[in-house]
Amino acid sequence: SAVISQKPSRDICQRGTSLTIQCQVDSQVTMMFWYRQQPGQSLTLIATANQGSEATYESGFVIDKFPISRPNLTFSTLTVSNMSPEDSSIYLCSVEMVRDSYEQYFGPGTRLTVT
Amino acid sequence: GQSLEQPSEVTAVEGAIVQINCTYQTSGFYGLSWYQQHDGGAPTFLSYNALDGLEETGRFSSFLSRSDSYGYLLLQELQMKDSASYFCAVRESGSYKLIFGSGTRLLVRP
Repeated sequence: SAVISQKPSRDICQRGTSLTIQCQVDSQVTMMFWYRQQPGQSLTLIATANQGSEATYESGFVIDKFPISRPNLTFSTLTVSNMSPEDSSIYLCSVEMVRDSYEQYFGPGTRLTVT
Repeated sequence: GQSLEQPSEVTAVEGAIVQINCTYQTSGFYGLSWYQQHDGGAPTFLSYNALDGLEETGRFSSFLSRSDSYGYLLLQELQMKDSASYFCAVRESGSYKLIFGSGTRLLVRP
């Protein structure tokens, strides 16, 4: 299993600003993922972040808007840039423990409100 | 592309049995997973089916029929704490990506 922490847990930001969300894992993992979830809705994958390579973004998400860093095997950041109210959502990171195939562990999420 | 369909909401009585269905359309398929999410919480893994048949884990069981592109999550001896959202998810072929269904909100009543 994995223990995942995210910072901040929540934030209220003004439009036009940027917020960087941190994701810390208690063990080394290869695969990390960033999701977005509107309250009461499903999870939408933003990007896959592997250490040592560029993040792979899903359709509808671009690096200029959601830059991701993955400096080592236990840490990643997601930045939400030039925010608008439409970016208000819950952002979650998750990891895939290769030895526990097909099971992802999720962080507690960051609740972002853009005013 | 991938798409998964689930009922939006299910209501059941404490102690009862409830089945949450999931039908999927995928261009490739590695298996069907189920996740539970309480309000304000993170999704947590419940089960995974790679092959046809029933997988049992305590009060929860999950079933898969690959020929029918169909699966379900069965919850027995329902407890109030089972009130949550339940998501099915498929693994996209050739990647570690999970595609989530729209989710089923389960309400357990006394």
